Order: sequence, then structure tokens, then C-alpha cells
Amino acid sequence: SAVISQKPSRDICQRGTSLTIQCQVDSQVTMMFWYRQQPGQSLTLIATANQGSEATYESGFVIDKFPISRPNLTFSTLTVSNMSPEDSSIYLCSVGESDEKLFFGSGTQLSVL
Amino acid sequence: SQKIEQNSEALNIQEGKTATLTCNYTNYSPAYLQWYRQDPGRGPVFLLLIRENEKEKRKERLKVTFDTTLKQSLFHITASQPADSATYLCAPPMDTGRRALTFGSGTRLQVQP
Repeated sequence: SAVISQKPSRDICQRGTSLTIQCQVDSQVTMMFWYRQQPGQSLTLIATANQGSEATYESGFVIDKFPISRPNLTFSTLTVSNMSPEDSSIYLCSVGESDEKLFFGSGTQLSVL
Repeated sequence: SQKIEQNSEALNIQEGKTATLTCNYTNYSPAYLQWYRQDPGRGPVFLLLIRENEKEKRKERLKVTFDTTLKQSLFHITASQPADSATYLCAPPMDTGRRALTFGSGTRLQVQP
């Protein structure tokens, strides 16, 4: 099973700034996803990170706010731009291999003041 | 639109009893459904997957059923232990042919010693 390292594990940021979250996987994976988990809520898919091309965003999420990079099959970044307190959430990187199950990183706990 | 519903109230049971968690879905016919466990401050961990042509799946003390007529999946933990205390998430694929999952709100299970 894939081992995912997500950094930072937590951060406290000022309104209007940006934070880039890194996701490193110990093996090449076909699928990479970014999810958000707001306080007391379940997981919501932000986007699918596509290797070598633009990410595919879900309804309600846009590239200008959540730019994503995936330069290779083991690494991706998610940036939360121009942050507001409403962006305070846990952000989770997830990967899929050859079968249907997903593996998750431990998440990045983001607080925006 | 698709809807995944889990009992949002916490489930409290005594050690040794069987915990039964419910996942209902509407406007949707998933080809399979997954169950995950999430502990505080951690990403979800895959437990079981059941396909639409399977009535029941077991893994050690875990059992999941899938009733496509009732549009419901039940997740059972037999001989429950305090270490089973966590939030359990039901997760079908977002759409036919997609690997990304959509998650229910989760049910928090508390097993009392």
C-alpha cells in the first residue's frame, strides 16, 4: 500500500496570504486527489491532480483559488490562495493504485486568522 | 443529485456487543461502496469494499452488506472493543467510471469498556 507524506501537518496563517501543501508518495500512483474536510464535516473533493496537465476541479472549486501541480507520478502540491477564515479546514491528499481503494495522508490542519 | 446519508448521531455501545452502522443513498446506483475508518487528526483508512453483485463481505470482525433494492449498506463490527472507537465513513464512487469517492458524513462510534 502507498505511504503518503503530507507537509505541513498544520499551519496558522493570516488572512490574504497563501499556503502550499505538499504531498509525496513512496511509489508511482495513477490517481491523486485533494480533499477538504471542514470542521465537523465529511470530506469534499476539491480536484483530481493530473500528471503533466491541468487539474480537474469539482463544482465550487476554481484553479485561481486552489492551484494544483503534479509534476510527476509521486508528487503534488495544493495551494490555498488569498486565504480567508472560511478556508480553515483539513486538507487531505489521497492516492489510488490499481484497485478502487484510496490511501490518504494524515492531512494539513489549516487555521486562517 | 446524489445523496449519501449516515446517522450523524454518535453510536455508543458496550464492549463485546455488535455495532451496526447504516449508510443510505438516493438518486444513485453505485457499482460498489467502500467503508473507511477515520481517527481524530488522521486521514481515513480503507476497511472494506463491497460490489453491487455481492450481498455480504467479511473481514475478521467486520461485515458489510449491500442492498441495492433498499439503497442501503450496513456495516457491522462484532465483539466490539474500545479500540474500535472512531468515525466510520461510507464512500461510493462519485460517478460511474470515476475513481474519486464521495463520502458520507460519517458515524462516530464510541465503545465503552
